[in-house]
Amino acid sequence: KQEVTQIPAALSVPEGENLVLNCSFTDSAIYNLQWFRQDPGKGLTSLLLIQSSQREQTSGRLNASLDKSSGRSTLYIAASQPGDSATYLCAVDQTGANNLFFGTGTRLTVIP
Amino acid sequence: EAQVTQNPRYLITVTGKKLTVTCSQNMNHEYMSWYRQDPGLGLRQIYYSMNVEVTDKGDVPEGYKVSRKEKRNFPLILESPSPNQTSLYFCASAPPRTGRYGYTFGSGTRLTVV
Repeated sequence: KQEVTQIPAALSVPEGENLVLNCSFTDSAIYNLQWFRQDPGKGLTSLLLIQSSQREQTSGRLNASLDKSSGRSTLYIAASQPGDSATYLCAVDQTGANNLFFGTGTRLTVIP
Repeated sequence: EAQVTQNPRYLITVTGKKLTVTCSQNMNHEYMSWYRQDPGLGLRQIYYSMNVEVTDKGDVPEGYKVSRKEKRNFPLILESPSPNQTSLYFCASAPPRTGRYGYTFGSGTRLTVV
């Protein structure tokens, strides 16, 4: 069964820093990988989707990479802002499974 | 606007009182799914549906029922809620699994069973 791990579980950085969130998965047979943002007690907002054939995707200050062979993805956030404070979840859509496999998230705090 | 709509957003109920959480999507997606999110356990799939009248169990289906009579709607039914079903619930939908498009989630339903 696909297992998705996110490290670190929590991260605190000063405003303006660039940062990297990590996601690893055990089964490389995937359709795609999605990064979500979740504010406390709120819904999931899709940030980026990387198809299995792609290496990276960019949206504004966010850049997500995918190395399917090694089972890794990273989310790079440039010039972090206090408004970026949230929990970031990665989720893998696995081939042959009718499920989205989630990591347990990285809780990011950006200090003004 | 393309979206998944869940209702209610918040619900407090008593043990044993049947309830339904509604989910509707306006994107003509064939696939729909329910998840629950609990601290330390992450998001776990309850049930999913590949199309109208086709539903199947996810990882944690006990105590839940679903139905898919129309493409756009996928209600979650708790026939006899118990306190261990207190959780944050999410409905999601997705187009055919080509990898090009991801899942869209609703805003969540916070359920408390006392």
